[in-house]
Amino acid sequence: EAEVAQSPRYKITEKSQAVAFWCDPISGHATLYWYRQILGQGPELLVQFQDESVVDDSQLPKDRFSAERLKGVDSTLKIQPAELGDSAMYLCASSLETTGVEQYFGPGTRLTVT
Amino acid sequence: AQSVTQLGSHVSVSEGALVLLRCNYSSSVPPYLFWYVQYPNQGLQLLLKYTSAATLVKGINGFEAEFKKSETSFHLTKPSAHMSDAAEYFCAVSDPGRRALTFGSGTRLQVQP
Repeated sequence: EAEVAQSPRYKITEKSQAVAFWCDPISGHATLYWYRQILGQGPELLVQFQDESVVDDSQLPKDRFSAERLKGVDSTLKIQPAELGDSAMYLCASSLETTGVEQYFGPGTRLTVT
Repeated sequence: AQSVTQLGSHVSVSEGALVLLRCNYSSSVPPYLFWYVQYPNQGLQLLLKYTSAATLVKGINGFEAEFKKSETSFHLTKPSAHMSDAAEYFCAVSDPGRRALTFGSGTRLQVQP
């Protein structure tokens, strides 16, 4: 069964350092999402891609966060510099463009900023 | 703007008892509605979805949910809880024109032996 891959699964970094997360969606899925889930809360959308184009990044803190999906396949989310409040689970999801209804989630990257 | 309210951040039931997790939504357009389950340090798994077909939706692991437009609700039920059902459950809504999901704050289900 095809799955969304994410790496690393866990990351510990010091504040002010740079950190990057990688996501490989299910093959053929044109839409890719990055969500942030703070402990005890539901996930919140950071950025949505359609192929290589950003569809929605209205909730992405652009002063420190960046996201790219250069070839419309895998994607990287970067934080520079990391802050204590960035500690969270970062979830990647993908969906087929034609339906887009069902999103498939990866296992997530648990970030701890010290 | 869409929003989701999950009543009860923690629900505890006995094994074999009825599970009822509540979800109310607000949306300016006919919504798509979802229930996801999350086990510790894992991603989200789709339990079921409503996309304007039958109002009673059956999902995996014996769960089902009923869409009630008049009550703007989409409560999740399971007739008999198993120990393996202990997890965090999230209700989510999407605007068919904007596929990103808006999630509720989650309900942690505990199942007592």
